[in-house]
Amino acid sequence: EAGVAQSPRYKIIEKRQSVAFWCNPISGHATLYWYQQILGQGPKLLIQFQNNGVVDDSQLPKDRFSAERLKGVDSTLKIQPAKLEDSAVYLCASASTGASYNEQFFGPGTRLTVL
Amino acid sequence: AQRVTQPEKLLSVFKGAPVELKCNYSYSGSPELFWYVQYSRQRLQLLLRHISRESIKGFTADLNKGETSFHLKKPFAQEEDSAMYYCALSQAGTYKYIFGTGTRLKVLA
Repeated sequence: EAGVAQSPRYKIIEKRQSVAFWCNPISGHATLYWYQQILGQGPKLLIQFQNNGVVDDSQLPKDRFSAERLKGVDSTLKIQPAKLEDSAVYLCASASTGASYNEQFFGPGTRLTVL
Repeated sequence: AQRVTQPEKLLSVFKGAPVELKCNYSYSGSPELFWYVQYSRQRLQLLLRHISRESIKGFTADLNKGETSFHLKKPFAQEEDSAMYYCALSQAGTYKYIFGTGTRLKVLA
């Protein structure tokens, strides 16, 4: 099966600019996650979708970050305006809730550098 | 609060030596524990999970609820085991993960 797709792979912006990331999960996976991974740290969950509904966005900085998953398939994560501390790798993952265990499948990530 | 702790940022061992990557967790409920691995230039991927009690690529991990640990072990390290390893905790029924900070394993020839 095709894996989780993300684009772009790299992005460099200046602070206060806006940026958007796209994710296409594995076909049929109802659950989609966005993680932020700062250098030297583990992935931190930003938002979790179940189909097109938000399950958990408690760690999403809602004053600048937004995410949507229209039609329960693709998802976009937006940052507006970006800050220096947003420099990180943004990972998208998906999972099938029909599985007996909740293995997550990760995309390659988008490396964001904010100057 | 739920937390996953991996005390070692870097672990270097010689080829053929035993490996133990430490993971401790804090969780009041019944956790599901996983080890994920990221090889150079590859995606983060599942290595093993405690429920299956299986051995993958020679690695095993036993959940010790008394010590709240889920250490990853391999009796004889191989150079291809060099990678970043993340311990993760999932809250049962939520499909939500909490990751540790990761341990970089370097297996020296």
